Amino acid sequence: SQQGEEDPQALSIQEGENATMNCSYKTSINNLQWYRQNSGRGLVHLILIRSNEREKHSGRLRVTLDTSKKSSSLLITASRAADTASYFCGGEIQGAQKLVFGQGTRLTINP
Amino acid sequence: DTGVSQDPRHKITKRGQNVTFRCDPISEHNRLYWYRQTLGQGPEFLTYFQNEAQLEKSRLLSDRFSAERPKGSFSTLEIQRTEQGDSAMYLCASSRGGGVGQPQHFGDGTRLSIL
Repeated sequence: SQQGEEDPQALSIQEGENATMNCSYKTSINNLQWYRQNSGRGLVHLILIRSNEREKHSGRLRVTLDTSKKSSSLLITASRAADTASYFCGGEIQGAQKLVFGQGTRLTINP
Repeated sequence: DTGVSQDPRHKITKRGQNVTFRCDPISEHNRLYWYRQTLGQGPEFLTYFQNEAQLEKSRLLSDRFSAERPKGSFSTLEIQRTEQGDSAMYLCASSRGGGVGQPQHFGDGTRLSIL
């Protein structure tokens, strides 16, 4: 069973707009990792944020982490058609090496 | 990095048959993971190796499933007596060892279809 949740499940925006996706998890984590998945492909690692970090940037990506609320957000600025994909957050469980994922957010960028 | 490689990309088989998948991790990574993903869901953890040692197995990994990593390099995942419910994408990932905060890098998966 999944132990994380992404919100919204689907998001459709115009090219150039910003996209924000949220993730919540249930157990204590070492870090949280965001991934992109194109249809029929594997997961591409985007960014990792450690439990002692609150915000991290990478290019057009901005990730926040609130361990008190057990939640994270991914912001993609100035979206492009190529950003169309499903996005997943995976929490690395404390005391284990595995990632626990939610159902993902399906992002569609309209040209 | 040449990336994580999985073979085959697609496997179609009849119910009751055995199947084996292979994963070649990124060469300097000593941790290797198997996940299963069904349509519309996120990946679910199956098992994890550090070098050749299998350190954790999910309850999802029934006795029909077995994974090996004999020399701490490539890994195989075998499913015996396949069932309809085994239809899924099987994903392999690898990461460096040592401490927390190591990103897991995924392959493109093997899509299994059970007829």
